[in-house]
Amino acid sequence: QVQLQESGPGLVKPSETLSLTCTVSGYSISSGYYWGWIRQPPGKGLEWIGSIYHSGSTYYNPSLKSRVTISVDTSKNQFSLKLSSVTAADTAVYYCVFPPDYWGQGTLVTVSS
Amino acid sequence: DIVMTQTPLSLSVTPGQPASISCKSSQSLLHSDGKTYLYWYLQKPGQPPQLLIYEVSNRFSGVPDRFSGSGSGTDFTLKISRVEAEDVGVYYCMQSIQLPWTFGQGTKVEIK
Repeated sequence: QVQLQESGPGLVKPSETLSLTCTVSGYSISSGYYWGWIRQPPGKGLEWIGSIYHSGSTYYNPSLKSRVTISVDTSKNQFSLKLSSVTAADTAVYYCVFPPDYWGQGTLVTVSS
Repeated sequence: DIVMTQTPLSLSVTPGQPASISCKSSQSLLHSDGKTYLYWYLQKPGQPPQLLIYEVSNRFSGVPDRFSGSGSGTDFTLKISRVEAEDVGVYYCMQSIQLPWTFGQGTKVEIK
């Protein structure tokens, strides 16, 4: 059974960098075709942030591209998200996904001073 | 970006009655490989979205057969043959034929 678990700070200050890690269990991350991050502002819809492919290629939502980095650490079976220069608009529940069927439980990140 | 438009945005259904949600995409979701990359998710309160239907009409493992998906090209429909109390939540369609993947606005289903 594939399981994903997000971890990272729940509170980030404006202008700083949001950093989250997704730990994958029950499956080797190096075997997966691609992995990704999706976010959901409180009470709103879903927004795809980006994906990283087994080749190492990354694809980011153009609306966030200049601020996003997704990377993989196969030795730890983890992949990570970094979002720089955050503002209150980046407050959301962040989900790591093994699309289309496996999602983490999500972690709420609040951007506030 | 491909725009996904869902209707209605909310639905109140009597248990045992059918329900239907429409999803229209701004571009065809039919890939040259013959597959159509349209998915349906249900997000129950306080939970991550769960996959119901993949590639238009294929029920994901464990999904009750009262859920069915249909459509082609740019027009898709999710049907619940007999709504049950556990079906409440927000339903989303999603396309993955083109980056960025995009979602519909969501359809909130509640029980009367």
